[in-house]
Amino acid sequence: AQKITQTQPGMFVQEKEAVTLDCTYDTSDQSYGLFWYKQPSSGEMIFLIYQGSYDEQNATEGRYSLNFQKARKSANLVISASQLGDSAMYFCAMRYSGSARQLTFGSGTQLTVLP
Amino acid sequence: GAVVSQHPSRVICKSGTSVKIECRSLDFQATTMFWYRQFPKQSLMLMATSNEGSKATYEQGVEKDKFLINHASLTLSTLTVTSAHPEDSSFYICSARVDSNQPQHFGDGTRLSIL
Repeated sequence: AQKITQTQPGMFVQEKEAVTLDCTYDTSDQSYGLFWYKQPSSGEMIFLIYQGSYDEQNATEGRYSLNFQKARKSANLVISASQLGDSAMYFCAMRYSGSARQLTFGSGTQLTVLP
Repeated sequence: GAVVSQHPSRVICKSGTSVKIECRSLDFQATTMFWYRQFPKQSLMLMATSNEGSKATYEQGVEKDKFLINHASLTLSTLTVTSAHPEDSSFYICSARVDSNQPQHFGDGTRLSIL
C-alpha cells in the first residue's frame, strides 16, 4: 500500500528564518513522484515543487527546495527566508504507478510564520 | 497555463436540495478529472476518478448514487450532490490532468454548507 506521512501537525517559524517540513512515504514502486502543495486559508491548492524518484538532484524552486533522501524514503520541504505569506497548510503528496496514477496526500502541516 | 476553474466557490442550501459543482479545464484538455473532499483541518480525500466518456471510479465508502459524477467532455466534469444533508457539508475540490504523466491542476474548491 502507498502511504504518505507528515508527522508535524503544526509548525512555527520566525520571519526570515528557514523551516523544514517533514514528509516520509512508503511504496514498493520504483517509479513515483513526490509533490508539495500549499493551501492557504482560502482553500486553493498551490503547486510548489516536484521530485521524481529517478531524479538524482534535489528539486529547487525559488525559496523552496526538496530534500530527497530515497533510501530513507523522505522528501522534506525546506522553505528559506520565510515570509508572513507563507503561513498556510502544506501537503506532501505522492503519485505512484497505480492504474490511475492519482495523488495520495499526507495529513498536512499547518505552518505559521511569526513576525 | 493549466488553469482549472471550479464553480460555484461557495453554496449554501437547504437540506434535501441537489447541488451541482462544475469543474472546467480552461486551456487544456483533461482526459482525467478527480474529485476530492476535505473536512476542516484535514487532508484531501479522493472521492472518485473520472475519465472522459466513461463512468467514474469511486473510492471505497463513497456512495455513487449520492455523488453523481459526469465527465461528458474533455474540459468539463460535474459533481452533483443529490438530496444533500448537513453531513454532506464540506469543501469539495476538483483537479484535472492531460494524461497520467502530467501533473494534476486544482480548482479553487467549493465550500458546500447544507442547512
